[in-house]
Amino acid sequence: EIVLTQSPATLSLSPGERATLSCRASQSVSSYLAWYQQKPGQAPRLLIYDASTRATGIPARFSGSGSGTDFTLTISSLEPEDFAVYYCQHRLNWPRTFGQGTKLEIK
Amino acid sequence: EVQVVESGGGLVQPGGSLRLSCAASGFTFNNYWMSWVRQAPGKGLEWVASIKEDGREENYVDSVKGRCTISRDNAENSLYLQMNNLRVEDTAVYYCVKGGGRFDPWGQGTLVTVSS
Repeated sequence: EIVLTQSPATLSLSPGERATLSCRASQSVSSYLAWYQQKPGQAPRLLIYDASTRATGIPARFSGSGSGTDFTLTISSLEPEDFAVYYCQHRLNWPRTFGQGTKLEIK
Repeated sequence: EVQVVESGGGLVQPGGSLRLSCAASGFTFNNYWMSWVRQAPGKGLEWVASIKEDGREENYVDSVKGRCTISRDNAENSLYLQMNNLRVEDTAVYYCVKGGGRFDPWGQGTLVTVSS
């Protein structure tokens, strides 16, 4: 099973700042990595797939990068609605696994 | 609009059974893998099971193997999860999701509570 480790667990920033979230895989997942956003009381929403492709309707301030074992989700300038929990997930093989999440909170 | 809507959750005693359903619309259902993902209260996301477009391949997380069965009815655009011998640790919101690799979109979820 591939273990995904996200860091930091919590990130405290202010609107307008740049956010950098990390996801590290226990073995290479090539570029088969996705990022999701989950707000309280809501279902997760796909942001990025295949490491760097934005899903339909996702604003350009969200970008993904990386390959192999190290991946980054960057939010270039935080909007108030971006404060949420973010998860990474791989699709290299079975079982699909998620990272434990990074909570992005308002400073 | 692509949409998936779950139903069937509820309170069940340990050892009991429950069948979750998911109604899909807005896309050609039989062209896509479908999956279930769950989230225990206050916890992260856990993939549970996926089924191929034609229903001929199924994959499960180890913790539910032998207790849960994913199935689909392509004529009815529906996905199911039969859960048997339920445990307290199966308590979670269960999400139906389109896809087997990347999950999009997600339903609103249905809560399964296993408790005596």
